[in-house]
Amino acid sequence: GAVVSQHPSRVICKSGTSVKIECRSLDFQATTMFWYRQFPKQSLMLMATSNEGSKATYEQGVEKDKFLINHASLTLSTLTVTSAHPEDSSFYICSARDQLGSLDTEAFFGQGTRLTVV
Amino acid sequence: LAKTTQPISMDSYEGQEVNITCSHNNIATNDYITWYQQFPSQGPRFIIQGYKTKVTNEVASLFIPADRKSSTLSLPRVSLSDTAVYYCLVGDKNRDDKIIFGKGTRLHILP
Repeated sequence: GAVVSQHPSRVICKSGTSVKIECRSLDFQATTMFWYRQFPKQSLMLMATSNEGSKATYEQGVEKDKFLINHASLTLSTLTVTSAHPEDSSFYICSARDQLGSLDTEAFFGQGTRLTVV
Repeated sequence: LAKTTQPISMDSYEGQEVNITCSHNNIATNDYITWYQQFPSQGPRFIIQGYKTKVTNEVASLFIPADRKSSTLSLPRVSLSDTAVYYCLVGDKNRDDKIIFGKGTRLHILP
């Protein structure tokens, strides 16, 4: 089946540094990808919608200058957490739909990235 | 987007059938119902999707009454590995539609 791959699966960084997370659709094209954040014992919270070739759309309360999203191709979206702080430590998940193929509305999720800021 | 309501948690035993019900009173005509499963430290995994009546696949069944204001995910003969969080989502088939997660149901299977 279709696969969405995230990299890295876990990362530890120092406070004040930036971290980039990649999300790739391996065998389908996605003009739209979604980025989520999930804190322990909580549900997924949508952060932003990544649009290929255009600016991302951020949900209310999400700082666009802190969470930079780039969707440069139909198979790759990146999320960069800039000037990370310990409160940014979380589980980040991306999602994509096969919008040009026959997989209909089923959305596929990456395996997630565990970010720890120390 | 239609809001969904599910039980916060459920316990069951291995070998039992588990039914998780989701309420979505404000479901729209074009909305489909989709269930996802999530294990700790993993992304959600698609389980099943339906519009009305009954849908069955190799993993689960989905029952949707005529008014579509609720749906029930049925897991036959659960095992310990079915311990996970299950999310019910309702949304349009538009492929750009945002996927908004509710709180989900934390299912704990006991030996």
